Amino acid sequence: GESVGLHLPTLSVQEGDNSIINCAYSNSASDYFIWYKQESGKGPQFIIDIRSNMDKRQGQRVTVLLNKTVKHLSLQIAATQPGDSAVYFCAENKYDYKLSFGAGTTVTVRA
Amino acid sequence: DAGVIQSPRHEVTEMGQEVTLRCKPISGHNSLFWYRQTMMRGLELLIYFNNNVPIDDSGMPEDRFSAKMPNASFSTLKIQPSEPRDSAVYFCASSLAPDREKLFFGSGTQLSVL
Repeated sequence: GESVGLHLPTLSVQEGDNSIINCAYSNSASDYFIWYKQESGKGPQFIIDIRSNMDKRQGQRVTVLLNKTVKHLSLQIAATQPGDSAVYFCAENKYDYKLSFGAGTTVTVRA
Repeated sequence: DAGVIQSPRHEVTEMGQEVTLRCKPISGHNSLFWYRQTMMRGLELLIYFNNNVPIDDSGMPEDRFSAKMPNASFSTLKIQPSEPRDSAVYFCASSLAPDREKLFFGSGTQLSVL
């Protein structure tokens, strides 16, 4: 079946460097994508979203890129900080309200 | 804003017992979701309410699971009888149309069924 998946399950990054987290999706009909951050013992926290009529969106220290041609989504975090250590999930909107979540990428920031 | 509030944070029970999880959505939000998270299956949607009405319960695993939303500020997820395979973290999330897909999650209930 169609699903959202992540290229890499873990990412280790040096503090201050930029992080790039990748996500592949297979449902070409999906029109809305979200990135969530989940810290240990907490619920997923909304980071940034993007609709299919856009290819780039920027937030505070984060940028989401959408490449519909290859069905690829990425999250870039600038100047990664220790507080960015968490599991990051991409999610796609399959129908109306239903979000399909990827498996998650664990980001570890090295001091 | 206090965000989505869930209780209890942790629940340990024995197989066969009834478990009730509680959720208070963000005030003004009209959509409410219950999710389950496990290492094996990730985040799974169990049930979705819109304006207190269950719209989609296709993710509810068995008849042992039931959910209610008696008013706009309260929802429960009940498991009766509970089984060890129900052990997971259960999240409640709420959202507001037209951005219904933009979910705000609670901190979850860690359920352990022994």
